[in-house]
Amino acid sequence: EAQVTQNPRYLITVTGKKLTVTCSQNMNHEYMSWYRQDPGLGLRQIYYSMNVEVTDKGDVPEGYKVSRKEKRNFPLILESPSPNQTSLYFCASSSGQAFSYEQYFGPGTRLTVT
Amino acid sequence: DQQVKQNSPSLSVQEGRISILNCDYTNSMFDYFLWYKKYPAEGPTFLISISSIKDKNEDGRFTVFLNKSAKHLSLHIVPSQPGDSAVYFCAARLNYGGATNKLIFGTGTLLAVQP
Repeated sequence: EAQVTQNPRYLITVTGKKLTVTCSQNMNHEYMSWYRQDPGLGLRQIYYSMNVEVTDKGDVPEGYKVSRKEKRNFPLILESPSPNQTSLYFCASSSGQAFSYEQYFGPGTRLTVT
Repeated sequence: DQQVKQNSPSLSVQEGRISILNCDYTNSMFDYFLWYKKYPAEGPTFLISISSIKDKNEDGRFTVFLNKSAKHLSLHIVPSQPGDSAVYFCAARLNYGGATNKLIFGTGTLLAVQP
């Protein structure tokens, strides 16, 4: 089954404790992206990757890091989480072709930073 | 600066009636517009799309209309069913001339279909 998986689904942590949210896709997609969803703000892009070893900032990258060492994986790293990073996070992937615009989303990770 | 706007946070309709969800945008460089549906505790799922060179696209009960002069699109669901109750996100793709898939999302509209 074609899918995007994220782990963990729920995470409660404390300020400053480094964490990683994993994302994996099995569709051989070139393009992967991280979003955060906040009330009244919709989905905002954090970082994206056009292919292995190619990453770039989205609209709200501050406080986050990513890496793309393998095509299927795109982890999101919070080196020193703060309460304003409490949010619902989604990973998404799509083919890198210009004609392929549909993005497939993971189930989400709800993060609470206290 | 919100490039894609959904001004109605919520909408309630009766089962069997038409649901109309609206979306406005500001950037003329968008080349595709998409609607995503999101249930609680799940990720958004693609529903329907329309190219910027079209004015209508239909898929079963779902139709999307695009008015480029007004920079406005709408999603019509006819007839509405209780299972359609979800948050609907409008999204627009920016085309930088290369292979890019950057989507700009609206804030979402919560649709409640009453039995």
